[in-house]
Amino acid sequence: GAVVSQHPSRVICKSGTSVKIECRSLDFQATTMFWYRQFPKKSLMLMATSNEGSKATYEQGVEKDKFLINHASLTLSTLTVTSAHPEDSSFYICSTRKGYNEQFFGPGTRLTVL
Amino acid sequence: KQEVTQIPAALSVPEGENLVLNCSFTDSAIYNLQWFRQDPGKGLTSLLLIQSSQREQTSGRLNASLDKSSGRSTLYIAASQPGDSATYLCAVGTDNTGKLIFGQGTTLQVKP
Repeated sequence: GAVVSQHPSRVICKSGTSVKIECRSLDFQATTMFWYRQFPKKSLMLMATSNEGSKATYEQGVEKDKFLINHASLTLSTLTVTSAHPEDSSFYICSTRKGYNEQFFGPGTRLTVL
Repeated sequence: KQEVTQIPAALSVPEGENLVLNCSFTDSAIYNLQWFRQDPGKGLTSLLLIQSSQREQTSGRLNASLDKSSGRSTLYIAASQPGDSATYLCAVGTDNTGKLIFGQGTTLQVKP
């Protein structure tokens, strides 16, 4: 398998502030990482594909200026939720994949915006 | 547009039972299919990956099958244990980009 970490695991912030979430691939170099969002008792929805050294590819309906993604190295992708609002509260999970196949997920970050 | 459905949404069984979780998808042109386990408040653990050319994969007490023509996959869990209690998600990869489309999951409870 592969080991993926996320930091922080849990964050509470005030409305209007920005929050950065880190996703690290610990045991291999990941040219591509994925960011998902999960609402309570709902499935995962792909937000964007993070590409090392280039711009992220966002899914339809996801605001790229709201959810800034940076993939500056082969082991780190960051998701910044800008000017967070209560409706941004969610569980954010990243994943990486080896080759073109199996995906491995991080432990997730619980964001609560007050 | 690919849609993935999992039935039932929840399942409760006594310990020791064999059980089957179902996953269906609307477009048979898939790249692969992956089963995951998610414990409450946690990330996803990969259980089994089935390539589009494969019919099944096995790992320990788990067996996943794939029937592309009917748009179905099943996850068979043998001799269930309380530690198997979790939400099981299936996800379809539609191409080699790595994008996955998830089902809603089946929440399994195995009672001692």
